[in-house]
Order: sequence, then C-alpha cells, then structure tokens
Amino acid sequence: GDSVTQMEGPVTLSEEAFLTINCTYTATGYPSLFWYVQYPGEGLQLLLKATKADDKGSNKGFEATYRKETTSFHLEKGSVQVSDSAVYFCALTGNMLTFGGGTRLMVKP
Amino acid sequence: DAGVIQSPRHEVTEMGQEVTLRCKPISGHNSLFWYRQTMMRGLELLIYFNNNVPIDDSGMPEDRFSAKMPNASFSTLKIQPSEPRDSAVYFCASSLEREQFFGPGTRLTVL
Repeated sequence: GDSVTQMEGPVTLSEEAFLTINCTYTATGYPSLFWYVQYPGEGLQLLLKATKADDKGSNKGFEATYRKETTSFHLEKGSVQVSDSAVYFCALTGNMLTFGGGTRLMVKP
Repeated sequence: DAGVIQSPRHEVTEMGQEVTLRCKPISGHNSLFWYRQTMMRGLELLIYFNNNVPIDDSGMPEDRFSAKMPNASFSTLKIQPSEPRDSAVYFCASSLEREQFFGPGTRLTVL
C-alpha cells in the first residue's frame, strides 16, 4: 500500500538557518504530494502541494519539488523564523491522504 | 467560508460515559474524514465518508467507536463507553478533490 516516510525530529535550528525536512514515498500510480503544517494547539493546514512530477510547490518561503525518480518531496526553506516552529507532515493522496509521522521543528532566536 | 467546524473544542469526561463529537464540513465538499492524534501513535485515519456514505472504517479501533453522516453538512463520532486510552485530539477534515481541509480539533480527556 501507499506509505510516506519523513525524517524524525525534533529538528532544532537557529533563526535564519537553512531548513530541509526529508520525505520519501511509496505509491502506485501518480499521487499528488502535500506538506501540511500544524501549529501548537491547532489543526493541520495545507502548506504547499504538487500534483505531478517535477512540479514545485511553494508558499511562505517554503518549497518542495516532486521528484518521481527518487520518490521524494523534500521540504526546504532558505531562512527559518521563530514563527515557523511547528510540526510538519508530508502526505500523498490516491483515494485518501496517507501521512508521514510528522517532524517537529523548533527555531530558536 | 467558516472552514470545518468542530464541537466541542474540549471535552473532559469520566470513564464509561458516552462522548459525541460533532463536525460540520465545508459547504460543497463531498468527502469527510475523522482522524485521531496522539503522541504515541501520531495521526490515524479512523473513517471516511464520500457523499455521506462510509467508505472505509478500517481505522475505527473497536466497536465502542461509531460514526454517522446523516446529511452533507453534519457528522458525528461517538464513543460509548469511553476509556482513558481514548484520550486524544480528534480532527475532522473535508475535501472536494484531493486537498483536505482540517478543523481545529476536539481535545478529549477521559478520566
């Protein structure tokens, strides 16, 4: 079946550092890929998405590229802020969403 | 749009009591999902509906859990009887195509 594997956290960075959170997937067909973010005490919010190979999703300075050859969708940001501290979930969808385990990001001033 | 609405936001109950969680999806969405989130098990899909019909309930942990969707604008998740291990945050999400929109969640504590 479909599965998503993302790096375990927590990831702790200083403000303005470069961020990479790895995500790889296993799926049949041509899934869409998503990154969701969950801020403390809130539900999940869609951060960005990509629907086909080589698409790049981007939002709020975050970006991820759909790499079919490596079955990956790594999340990157060039300069993180304290306000980016949250849990990030990689997900794919066929009929329904399959989530990775989540990666907690902590950004220190 | 108000987004997905869940109630109550917090629920504290005693073991053995019945708990009912409620969800109003985004108008026009045709799929609805119930998730449970805990530190130990992360985010788990419990059940999902398409056009008000349950499609996959394989994630429902046991017979104490039941979910209904009597119409396109309302769904309930019921736990009867509740147990301390049911303590978690329960999320409802709705979708029209592939993107799911999540509600704020109900934090359930069973004492």
